[in-house]
Amino acid sequence: GAGVSQTPSNKVTEKGKYVELRCDPISGHTALYWYRQSLGQGPEFLIYFQGTGAADDSGLPNDRFFAVRPEGSVSTLKIQRTERGDSAVYLCASRGPNTEAFFGQGTRLTVV
Amino acid sequence: GQQLNQSPQSMFIQEGEDVSMNCTSSSIFNTWLWYKQDPGEGPVLLIALYKAGELTSNGRLTAQFGITRKDSFLNISASIPSDVGIYFCAGQLTHAGKSTFGDGTTLTVKP
Repeated sequence: GAGVSQTPSNKVTEKGKYVELRCDPISGHTALYWYRQSLGQGPEFLIYFQGTGAADDSGLPNDRFFAVRPEGSVSTLKIQRTERGDSAVYLCASRGPNTEAFFGQGTRLTVV
Repeated sequence: GQQLNQSPQSMFIQEGEDVSMNCTSSSIFNTWLWYKQDPGEGPVLLIALYKAGELTSNGRLTAQFGITRKDSFLNISASIPSDVGIYFCAGQLTHAGKSTFGDGTTLTVKP
């Protein structure tokens, strides 16, 4: 497709489990961002990739959160030992050289 | 860290009315962005502002980048039912960098 694709669209997991969230950016976009959005709030920055490297990971809340982008395209956000407080919508966005960021539809993560 | 205060938190208006919402920051930004988010979707960019004092329109939408670099407003003229949604402001320090978002203004339009 032409837009940013995120899978799965919904994920329910048990407390303590490991989850992976995937983002397929728009083809040719070198910049990729992950945000987290809690109910009633705006998106909160987690990490930004330029190509394969993390240019800014200052928003990752703790070391249970990790993200990779090994080939400079698809990115995976990984959360270890999930907690109920991790429940949120995880948004991915990508940007080309002369555009602002385009967001995907998000993955709604529920930790029970 | 930087925080954006967005107001009002919610608005209930009649179809055809004009709407104004704004965003203020404790520190400066070099880019201001306005997004709309519908339920179950990601934010969609409405307007981007890159220069202090800049006034930009996109159809019935007009936004301004404040002279102090610490605020921005968005106006919607002649509202229609499809304007319903949550509007977010966002600021960037660097063009390629992260965005800091406000907590949104929820707009309801009564036909």
